[in-house]
Amino acid sequence: EAGVAQSPRYKIIEKRQSVAFWCNPISGHATLYWYQQILGQGPKLLIQFQNNGVVDDSQLPKDRFSAERLKGVDSTLKIQPAKLEDSAVYLCASREGAVGMETQYFGPGTRLLVL
Amino acid sequence: AQSVTQLGSHVSVSEGALVLLRCNYSSSVPPYLFWYVQYPNQGLQLLLKYTSAATLVKGINGFEAEFKKSETSFHLTKPSAHMSDAAEYFCAVTRGAGGGNKLTFGTGTQLKVEL
Repeated sequence: EAGVAQSPRYKIIEKRQSVAFWCNPISGHATLYWYQQILGQGPKLLIQFQNNGVVDDSQLPKDRFSAERLKGVDSTLKIQPAKLEDSAVYLCASREGAVGMETQYFGPGTRLLVL
Repeated sequence: AQSVTQLGSHVSVSEGALVLLRCNYSSSVPPYLFWYVQYPNQGLQLLLKYTSAATLVKGINGFEAEFKKSETSFHLTKPSAHMSDAAEYFCAVTRGAGGGNKLTFGTGTQLKVEL
């Protein structure tokens, strides 16, 4: 079974530029998550989708971050404009969504460096 | 709200020695608890999880953890460390059944294994 796919793996941009990350979850997984992992910290949830609807975006900095999950499959996370403090690894995870299927499966992450 | 505290950001053990990584949780409702491992430049991989069944949980790679409600702990152990165990380990908590599955992570423990 294919895992969660993310691209690009690495991205270097200058502050005030925009950037987008892509995630393809495990086939059939209804729930998709984006996490931000700053160096030396644990991942922090940015946004959770259930199919193509947003369940929780309470920690998403909405003035600069946006995310969508069209058709309930792939998802993109965008930052515009980027700040230095956005340098982090952005992890995508997916979960089957059924009751009792609580395990989240993570992709390899996109490492962003903002200069 | 749920939270986890990982005691010790860095742990060093000799190859063949006991591994003990500490995690204490705080939750107002019965929690589900997870341990994930992260190798350099990779995403998170599930080691094991507690979901209110057996309190002693066995995971992959010889790791196990015991849920102790009286101590609000979920420490990770392995009887004999291997060089390949060197990685960062994250404890995470979520609300139990029906809770939406938002994971809250600890700050991580970097495990070093020495010859």
